[in-house]
Amino acid sequence: DGGITQSPKYLFRKEGQNVTLSCEQNLNHDAMYWYRQDPGQGLRLIYYSQIVNDFQKGDIAEGYSVSREKKESFPLTVTSAQKNPTAFYLCASSYRDSPNNEQFFGPGTRLTVL
Amino acid sequence: AQTVTQSQPEMSVQEAETVTLSCTYDTSESNYYLFWYKQPPSRQMILVIRQEAYKQQNATENRFSVNFQKAAKSFSLKISDSQLGDTAMYFCASGTTSGTYKYIFGTGTRLKVLA
Repeated sequence: DGGITQSPKYLFRKEGQNVTLSCEQNLNHDAMYWYRQDPGQGLRLIYYSQIVNDFQKGDIAEGYSVSREKKESFPLTVTSAQKNPTAFYLCASSYRDSPNNEQFFGPGTRLTVL
Repeated sequence: AQTVTQSQPEMSVQEAETVTLSCTYDTSESNYYLFWYKQPPSRQMILVIRQEAYKQQNATENRFSVNFQKAAKSFSLKISDSQLGDTAMYFCASGTTSGTYKYIFGTGTRLKVLA
């Protein structure tokens, strides 16, 4: 079955640690996105990538980093520089030829800082 | 900059009745796209309906329809014959055509369907 997977579902981090959230898709989509979801703030774009080996900062990129070495994978690293990382993180993908394309979302990762 | 505003944080509706969720947006682009996404308690986001701005006809998907008022920059979602499974967060979003494509989301409306 085609889709997007995110792992882990729940992640706990101690202060000062970097953690990496996994996102994999087998939909043959070129574009991939990372969003952060907080109560009352909707989805905010962290990073996005239109093609392999290229990515752009979104609205809240500070304290995060990404890589796009393979079309299928777009991991997100939450660094110790992110002051308030506790949130729900959603990965999405789409075809990149038109912004009318539907975004397909993964099931999300809940990150909690202890 | 593009913005999407949902002014109703929470709404409720009786089962089988009709409810309308509001969304307004602002963009300087002449061609853009609008979406409604649903996030049920499982938190899995799924597309409900989409509208291309250059199309005057309102999009419809079964019990879901939109009222697209381009001049007013309004894009509301109507849910007819509400079902318990419609209970979810609903997000309005726009897709930009400028440069690299990305999407802007509103803050969401939490809809509860009452039995």
